[in-house]
Order: sequence, then C-alpha cells, then structure tokens
Amino acid sequence: QQPVQSPQAVILREGEDAVINCSSSKALYSVHWYRQKHGEAPVFLMILLKGGEQKGHEKISASFNEKKQQSSLYLTASQLSYSGTYFCGTETRDAGGTSYGKLTFGQGTILTVHP
Amino acid sequence: DSGVTQTPKHLITATGQRVTLRCSPRSGDLSVYWYQQSLDQGLQFLIQYYNGEERAKGNILERFSAQQFPDLHSELNLSSLELGDSALYFCASSVGVLSNQPQHFGDGTRLSIL
Repeated sequence: QQPVQSPQAVILREGEDAVINCSSSKALYSVHWYRQKHGEAPVFLMILLKGGEQKGHEKISASFNEKKQQSSLYLTASQLSYSGTYFCGTETRDAGGTSYGKLTFGQGTILTVHP
Repeated sequence: DSGVTQTPKHLITATGQRVTLRCSPRSGDLSVYWYQQSLDQGLQFLIQYYNGEERAKGNILERFSAQQFPDLHSELNLSSLELGDSALYFCASSVGVLSNQPQHFGDGTRLSIL
C-alpha cells in the first residue's frame, strides 16, 4: 500500500524551514527520500534504516519513527535549488522477512522556494 | 549524470503497437528497477531484476514484460499499447538488493500513445 505524504504542497521563501512527512500503514524496514525536478529524474537524498542507520545528504536531515511507521524530512535554511517534488519510498518485508529493495513511493510533496 | 542510460528519450506510437525501452545500469550495479510515472499515479514500481533474474514484481500489466541480459542491460517490452500507457518510464539501478543502497535513476523514456 502506498505511503501517505503530507503536506501535498508547500511554498517557502529562501532561508525558511520545511518538514515533509511520510506515513505507512505497514511496518517499515527502510525509508528512502528522493527529489525530482520537473522533467528530470528523481535524485537520491537519504536512506533511513530500521535500527537507526542513516545515509544521505549533508544539508538535509530526516527521522524515522519505527513505532509510528513514519519518517520526516527536514529542510533547513531552504535554497532556491531545493524546489522540486519530494518522494518517500518505503520498503517493507514479506512474511518470510525477505526484502528485495522494492520501494513503494508516496504521491509526492511539491516544494516551491521563492527568493 | 546518474550513470544510468535509457533509450530512447521519447517514443510516439499508436494504440495496439509494441515498443521496447532499453536501460543500461551504472557500472558495477547488478540490480535494475523499472518504474512508471504518470500524473495521476505517481511513481509506480513495475519490476526488478538482479544479475539476470527477476527478484520482485509490482503492478506490472500482463501486456508488459522485461528481462535483464548477461551484460546487465535491461529491456522493458510494452505491447498492445493503450492510451493509458502514456507515461514516463524510468529505469533505476543499484549495486545489489540491500535496503541501504540508493537507487540511481536514468532520465526516463517519455512514451506517448496517439
């Protein structure tokens, strides 16, 4: 089942902060965050793993609440280049506990940063 | 540049036709993923291959098929095309199948069905 992202859209001025949330109805093993600019490919930002390991971007941080099956992406001191659509991709495991790296993506959050 | 190459960039064809989309993964990546992106559906996972073998399947239609060849490039075949198949098709690759490995996306193939 597709994770739910909120908000659907956010408008900022340069230097402002934003939080994008991603919620799943299933237990999560990992959450991946991507940013996509219009007409371009999604670009990897961050991976959060069950157990706390985090891999990703220098200027963007994220949290992963396993109990609540949620992840949040924190964009601080936003820049014009942060504009785009942010997607979370969630990874769950099958009944046998096997994961194949398959991601189910949310509908996206459109972030617009103005000067 | 992600290192993932997709061809062609654009395809325009008619209903009922068949097309093949091609993807070359980043050097060293063994996993290839195919996604469909349309305005109303977001990024939909279609299928994943790892080192030539199918590893995971999403909501891929029976009219669609894929394979990964010994040189690790992959092809997605779409047949009996319908208007609703118009979308952006992305290929992504990763080193393996582990959760802590990012997927790197190609620039996509934009398919338009007339």
